[in-house]
Amino acid sequence: DQQVKQNSPSLSVQEGRISILNCDYTNSMFDYFLWYKKYPAEGPTFLISISSIKDKNEDGRFTVFLNKSAKHLSLHIVPSQPGDSAVYFCAASDGGTSYGKLTFGQGTILTVHP
Amino acid sequence: DVKVTQSSRYLVKRTGEKVFLECVQDMDHENMFWYRQDPGLGLRLIYFSYDVKMKEKGDIPEGYSVSREKKERFSLILESASTNQTSMYLCASRIVQVYSNQPQHFGDGTRLSIL
Repeated sequence: DQQVKQNSPSLSVQEGRISILNCDYTNSMFDYFLWYKKYPAEGPTFLISISSIKDKNEDGRFTVFLNKSAKHLSLHIVPSQPGDSAVYFCAASDGGTSYGKLTFGQGTILTVHP
Repeated sequence: DVKVTQSSRYLVKRTGEKVFLECVQDMDHENMFWYRQDPGLGLRLIYFSYDVKMKEKGDIPEGYSVSREKKERFSLILESASTNQTSMYLCASRIVQVYSNQPQHFGDGTRLSIL
């Protein structure tokens, strides 16, 4: 039972354009959502997060949007750069007594072409 | 900056061996986690610890155990390694703050091969 899904295994974008990565979830108890970036042979690096009380959070070139009614979140990268090429994972947590446990999606490989 | 250190980047072991993966964090974080990453499956939680000597099963605990005798160190143990435990293993830690969600911070992973 995949509670967090990233339905696009890969995405290819031209440098300077917008990258949009999508993520869907099924568990309505999730109230904290995160995006991680992972380069080969390295651990995931935290990028940006959003709490369920918000619908948008920005940090420089990265913006995360949350649509609670659709149980959907997306990560926008503008402008995209070749160094953004990596695997992107979305993750979700329910506040309760989960001790910060995260449920991850399968990941999307982003390739940004010069 | 948070530093999560995993003792080995690459490890090759044989079927039936007992395998220890070590993880140390230097930020006095309460929570620590072990995941495995497999292609197409994302990261799956094996075990986590919310404080010293406390542990909870994650989504795929079978064949694994953990130990947390000190706050900074969280060990993952493969009791009798099998080939289906060949994977990338990732350790993470997280600070606990009341009324504030905090992200997990990851080590660089251990690529474990069981022959």
